[in-house]
Amino acid sequence: GQNIDQPTEMTATEGAIVQINCTYQTSGFNGLFWYQQHAGEAPTFLSYNVLDGLEEKGRFSSFLSRSKGYSYLLLKELQMKDSASYLCAGIDSNYQLIWGAGTKLIIKP
Amino acid sequence: ETGVTQTPRHLVMGMTNKKSLKCEQHLGHNAMYWYKQSAKKPLELMFVYNFKEQTENNSVPSRFSPECPNSSHLFLHLHTLQPEDSALYLCASSQDRGTVALPQHFGDGTRLSIL
Repeated sequence: GQNIDQPTEMTATEGAIVQINCTYQTSGFNGLFWYQQHAGEAPTFLSYNVLDGLEEKGRFSSFLSRSKGYSYLLLKELQMKDSASYLCAGIDSNYQLIWGAGTKLIIKP
Repeated sequence: ETGVTQTPRHLVMGMTNKKSLKCEQHLGHNAMYWYKQSAKKPLELMFVYNFKEQTENNSVPSRFSPECPNSSHLFLHLHTLQPEDSALYLCASSQDRGTVALPQHFGDGTRLSIL
């Protein structure tokens, strides 16, 4: 079956760095999305990885290893506004999105 | 502002009521989606429309009935819902559906509570 695993909840300190991991099992693979969702708001697109390696966008970076079925989202210089849920979604051979349950990130001062 | 607007934001209804959720996108996209989001669970894809045609129905009970009159508007008609249907219902759109990996753009959702 198809599956996405990510931690349920993580806590980090303002100004620090946090890495949110995601492992995936999909029937075929056409890439992986990361989304951010603040409570009561729409999920918003953060990144797309399809090739191995690190994609950097400002304070946020996303990494993919296709051989390991593994991705992570790296958030640097954490700010209080980064408190949100982070959703990982793998894309299978039919371009269907397989969603994880999300990681709730709590930032403490 | 994501370009996808959902109304109402909150809805409380009894099990015998009929109501509709509305979604409108201003992004010029051709594909629209309904998702159900429950606490601590992955997003559940309910329906997909591509160029106004329904292309996917993921075994959704018939008490949920979608309608897509044009590529910019999507409705979810609700009738005789059950308490387990209480959840956040998200609408999303993307440029197309099918042969490339395209990010989906979401609305803020309708928080539905069934009494």
